[in-house]
Amino acid sequence: GAVVSQHPSWVICKSGTSVKIECRSLDFQATTMFWYRQFPKQSLMLMATSNEGSKATYEQGVEKDKFLINHASLTLSTLTVTSAHPEDSSFYICSARDGTAYEQYFGPGTRLTVT
Amino acid sequence: AQSVTQLDSHVSVSEGTPVLLRCNYSSSYSPSLFWYVQHPNKGLQLLLKYTSAATLVKGINGFEAEFKKSETSFHLTKPSAHMSDAAEYFCVVNSGGYQKVTFGTGTKLQVIP
Repeated sequence: GAVVSQHPSWVICKSGTSVKIECRSLDFQATTMFWYRQFPKQSLMLMATSNEGSKATYEQGVEKDKFLINHASLTLSTLTVTSAHPEDSSFYICSARDGTAYEQYFGPGTRLTVT
Repeated sequence: AQSVTQLDSHVSVSEGTPVLLRCNYSSSYSPSLFWYVQHPNKGLQLLLKYTSAATLVKGINGFEAEFKKSETSFHLTKPSAHMSDAAEYFCVVNSGGYQKVTFGTGTKLQVIP
């Protein structure tokens, strides 16, 4: 089946630094990738949608200059949290979709802790 | 427009008894519906999906769900709960190929020994 990986699985960084999270589709070409954020004991909230080779579309309330998304190839999307602050600590999950398929394949998530 | 409502934020059952997690949806089109499970500090695992084929969908680990258009429901069931079923469960709707999916708020399933 379709597999999506994320790296790193967890990261701790100091306030003010930037962190990059990678999302890869391992056995299919992901024309669209999605980035979600999940706060403790809450549901997933969509942050942005990225299509290969074009700019990401951000959801209302998500700062595009703070959460930089790059979908440079059909198998890789990256999320960079710039100038991270403790309130950015969260579980970040990516998903990928192949063409017009209804199903999204989810990565295992990245736990970010900003100290 | 689409939305999904998980009617119970928390469900507690005894091991070996049936599980029912309720989900109602709203969609302007014929939707695809999914149930995902998330164990603590883990990613999402697909349990089952409905994509306009058979209305009774069988998934992994003994779970199944029935799509009822007249009731706009897609409840998740399992005949006998196991301790390993304790997790968070999300109902998800997608109204079209290029539409974003919408997540329910989740139901935490507790299984009592």
